[in-house]
Amino acid sequence: AQKITQTQPGMFVQEKEAVTLDCTYDTSDQSYGLFWYKQPSSGEMIFLIYQGSYDEQNATEGRYSLNFQKARKSANLVISASQLGDSAMYFCAMREPNSGNTPLVFGKGTRLSVIA
Amino acid sequence: GAVVSQHPSRVICKSGTSVKIECRSLDFQATTMFWYRQFPKKSLMLMATSNEGSKATYEQGVEKDKFLINHASLTLSTLTVTSAHPEDSSFYICSSPRGNTIYFGEGSWLTVV
Repeated sequence: AQKITQTQPGMFVQEKEAVTLDCTYDTSDQSYGLFWYKQPSSGEMIFLIYQGSYDEQNATEGRYSLNFQKARKSANLVISASQLGDSAMYFCAMREPNSGNTPLVFGKGTRLSVIA
Repeated sequence: GAVVSQHPSRVICKSGTSVKIECRSLDFQATTMFWYRQFPKKSLMLMATSNEGSKATYEQGVEKDKFLINHASLTLSTLTVTSAHPEDSSFYICSSPRGNTIYFGEGSWLTVV
C-alpha cells in the first residue's frame, strides 16, 4: 500500500485564487511528520511546511497552510492568493517515526499551474 | 542560502565512465545523508542512507557496487555512479535532517551518452 497518496496529477488555479492540494497518508505509527515540498523545473526541493503528528494546531507558513485531519489521515496543502511563481510540482512526504535518521517517503506529486 | 550544497548541478559523461556527486552540509554536522533518484515526471525514490563513518544502507533493488556512497566526514557525503550507462541518466538529489526539517541539496542532472 502506498504510504503517501496524492490523487491530483495536475491542478489549475487562477492567479490570486486559493488552491488545495490533496494528500492522504497511511501509517500505524503514533509519531510521524508530514512535509510539503515545492519542486520547480530547476529540480531543487523547496521546503514549504511541516506538521508533526502531535501538533494540535494546523501549521501555517505565510501563504501556505496545512489542513491536518488526523482521523482522516489527510494533510492537504492550501495555497492562498496564488502567484504565477507558484507553478511547480508539489510533493507531500512523510517521515515515520518522526526522528532524525528516518528518510522521507514521497507521494507522486501534483503539478500546479497558475493561470494569469 | 543553501544549507546543503550539491555539485555538480549538471554533468554529461560517456558510457562506461564513473561520475562523482558531492553533497556538503554548510553550517551543521550531517551525520545522516539520504540519497534519492528521480526519473522525469516521477517522484523521488530513496536509494540509500549514509551515516558518517559507517557503511551506507541501500534500498532494495539498488546496486551497491554501482552506486558507491561514501560519508567519510560530518560535512561531506558522495555518490559515485560507476561504469555509467544511459539508463543511469536521471536526477540525483541528497538530503540531510536537521531537527524537524530535512534540507535538500540543489540536485544533480546526470546524462550518460
